[in-house]
Amino acid sequence: GAGVSQSPSNKVTEKGKDVELRCDPISGHTALYWYRQSLGQGLEFLIYFQGNSAPDKSGLPSDRFSAERTGGSVSTLTIQRTQQEDSAVYLCASSGRLAGGWRETQYFGPGTRLLVL
Amino acid sequence: GENVEQHPSTLSVQEGDSAVIKCTYSDSASNYFPWYKQELGKRPQLIIDIRSNVGEKKDQRIAVTLNKTAKHFSLHITETQPEDSAVYFCAGTSGNTPLVFGKGTRLSVIA
Repeated sequence: GAGVSQSPSNKVTEKGKDVELRCDPISGHTALYWYRQSLGQGLEFLIYFQGNSAPDKSGLPSDRFSAERTGGSVSTLTIQRTQQEDSAVYLCASSGRLAGGWRETQYFGPGTRLLVL
Repeated sequence: GENVEQHPSTLSVQEGDSAVIKCTYSDSASNYFPWYKQELGKRPQLIIDIRSNVGEKKDQRIAVTLNKTAKHFSLHITETQPEDSAVYFCAGTSGNTPLVFGKGTRLSVIA
């Protein structure tokens, strides 16, 4: 089946505008993750969902960032009042979840490259 | 919670030589350790993983070793080729939380 998809692939916006990034996980995957990757840097964990719930939101950089997931499938990451430091690649990943554990492999989407001018 | 440290941050090898990347973890309950390869401008992709019930796993030129006592695991690439040039990330989990990633190693294979 299809892998993880993300849209848009590229987004250029002006400082202060809101943006929405979308992630479609692999069908049947119950867990979904958002990461941020600045140029040449590692993977900064933002938030994860198990089903529609997000048990831990502490990785979100500020209250301008929010995420939701409905129907246990598609997720959107919203950044309000964007700042230049928000420019990065936003990666989404999904995984199945074995009973009692998180040992399933994460599969990544292609990412959304966000540029805030 | 889990903390994963990865070394070195950059590594240059001559084509045909071996490359070794090492990671340590803090949570003795961690039991799943995948390695991801990220080529320039691409998404991270799983290349090999190991679970705590084995000490070594091989897949062609790639192998991973796990030392549970010392809480470290390593990626070994033999007979390196230019296409092995990429950033490699290690990760670990105890199964109670999502994967915790290392900061990555930029491998350059010089022809």
